[in-house]
Amino acid sequence: GQSLEQPSEVTAVEGAIVQINCTYQTSGFYGLSWYQQHDGGAPTFLSYNALDGLEETGRFSSFLSRSDSYGYLLLQELQMKDSASYFCAVIDAGKSTFGDGTTLTVKP
Amino acid sequence: GAVVSQHPSWVICKSGTSVKIECRSLDFQATTMFWYRQFPKQSLMLMATSNEGSKATYEQGVEKDKFLINHASLTLSTLTVTSAHPEDSSFYICSAREASGITYEQYFGPGTRLTVT
Repeated sequence: GQSLEQPSEVTAVEGAIVQINCTYQTSGFYGLSWYQQHDGGAPTFLSYNALDGLEETGRFSSFLSRSDSYGYLLLQELQMKDSASYFCAVIDAGKSTFGDGTTLTVKP
Repeated sequence: GAVVSQHPSWVICKSGTSVKIECRSLDFQATTMFWYRQFPKQSLMLMATSNEGSKATYEQGVEKDKFLINHASLTLSTLTVTSAHPEDSSFYICSAREASGITYEQYFGPGTRLTVT
């Protein structure tokens, strides 16, 4: 089966940098994705890593270490609108298994 | 591009009735669509994977006779909750993967909030 762990809550201030970690134990692995979900809304795709290393997309970056079964999402220059839930998801056998999500609260 | 719509966005039904939720990929062809259920403050739980023209593959613990999935075309999948009960009240979200996509990116619909009274 698949098992993913990420912190349940993170709090940071505007302008800061925050890192949300995700560790996984899976029977198979193709890649790791990150999604953002605002309250009452649908998840939106943020990033995808299939290979080790850092992927950067604007203020968001995602890192993967396959040997450590570990990844993280890095959010820079935090803005109030970044307050949301963030999910890591392992992709295997054509489908995604989601972690329980990390609620990020950005304070002024 | 890559827009997925769901209809209805919310629905209230009485216990024992059936509800159909539609998921459409508006500007791309989706060979695979996924149906998730999400309870408040919880993760997305995959219910089933549907491929166009074939039977859906249900996750362990999901009753296939209760949650009927049909993927009749490359742009439409439907989920029917049959004989709904209050415990079926949840946020149902579909997602679609592009047929020509080279990544495993999924595009999510806006979700359907089902309340069974």
